[in-house]
Formats: sequence, structure tokens, C-alpha cells
Amino acid sequence: AQSVTQPDIHITVSEGASLELRCNYSYGATPYLFWYVQSPGQGLQLLLKYFSGDTLVQGIKGFEAEFKRSQSSFNLRKPSVHWSDAAEYFCAVSLTGGGNKLTFGTGTQLKVEL
Amino acid sequence: NAGVTQTPKFQVLKTGQSMTLQCAQDMNHNSMYWYRQDPGMGLRLIYYSASEGTTDKGEVPNGYNVSRLNKREFSLRLESAAPSQTSVYFCASSLDHYEQYFGPGTRLTVT
Repeated sequence: AQSVTQPDIHITVSEGASLELRCNYSYGATPYLFWYVQSPGQGLQLLLKYFSGDTLVQGIKGFEAEFKRSQSSFNLRKPSVHWSDAAEYFCAVSLTGGGNKLTFGTGTQLKVEL
Repeated sequence: NAGVTQTPKFQVLKTGQSMTLQCAQDMNHNSMYWYRQDPGMGLRLIYYSASEGTTDKGEVPNGYNVSRLNKREFSLRLESAAPSQTSVYFCASSLDHYEQYFGPGTRLTVT
């Protein structure tokens, strides 16, 4: 069965430091890949997505992610974290032809120290 | 353009009571979804509707029913609420390319 793993439940970084959030998936084929962010008490907002083509994708708020087929990974990065980036981050995948259904990882809670 | 709206925002039920969560989107999207979010478990798909007039079970459908009333509206019904259904419920919609847009959520507590 398809699955998405976010191995880090909590991450703490200092403001201005770089960030990398990990995401691995288990699929037979290359899925569509997404990163969402959820601020406290809010719904989910799409940061970026990968469907095909260039494996480095740019998103909103200065985030980027790189798809690595050999590692079945889609890690999210940001060069310099801002205090407002504190939130929960979810990786999600959708199997091509899978009826638009998303499978989510369990999330990574990001804390930013000032 | 409000996007995806959900009502109510908060609800407290007693075990055995019923209720319907409402969801509407104004983006002319074909597909709509209901998820529940529980601590440490991410979001899990309850039901989805790929188009008006169709609904299908997701990962955790037991104890829920849905109705795709028209293209805009997709409701989720709990016929006999149980404490295990205490959760935050999110509705989402999508047009194509699998990108889903989420509502603000309904926080449900069953006592």
C-alpha cells in the first residue's frame, strides 16, 4: 500500500538558519508530490507541488523542494527561516490515475527560536 | 471568492447524537473531499466525490455518510456520534492536477 513518511515529528531551528524537512514515499510509480503548511487553528495551504519535469520546484514563502527518484524523497528546504514559518508541515502524495486522492504524512511541527 | 467554507467551526455532541457538517466551494471544482485530522496521524480521507452525483469511500469511512448535494456542496453526516469521532474535520476541493484547496476546519468533540 502507498505510504508517506515524515521521520521528524518536531524540529526546532533558529531564526535565520536553514531548514530541511524530510519526506519519503512508498509507491510503485512516480506519484504527484505536495507540501502543505498548517498554521495553528487554520486549514492547510499548498506550498508547492511536483508533477513532472525539473526536479527542483519553487513554492511560495521562499520554500523549495527537490524530488529524488532514486531515494523516493521529496524534501522541503528554505535557506533562511523566519519566525512566521513556525507551523506544521505535511507532505502528501497522489498516485497518477488515483482519482485525485491524497495520502498525507503525519506531519512535522516546526518551532522557530528567536 | 470565499474558496472552501465549512460550518460549523466548533461543535460539541453527546454520544449517540447526530449532526451534519456542511461544506461549500465557489471555485467550480469537480472533486470534493472530507478528511479528519488527529494528533500524530496527519489527515486521513473519509469520503470523496470525484464529480457531482458520485461518492466513494476513503481510508476511514466507518460511522460516516456523505451527500454531494450539487457541484458546490458536499456534506458529511454522523448518524450516531462516538467519542472516537472527536477530531478536526477538513473539507477540500480540487479541479485538476490533484491540487486540493482546504477549508478552515470543524473542531468536533463527542462526550
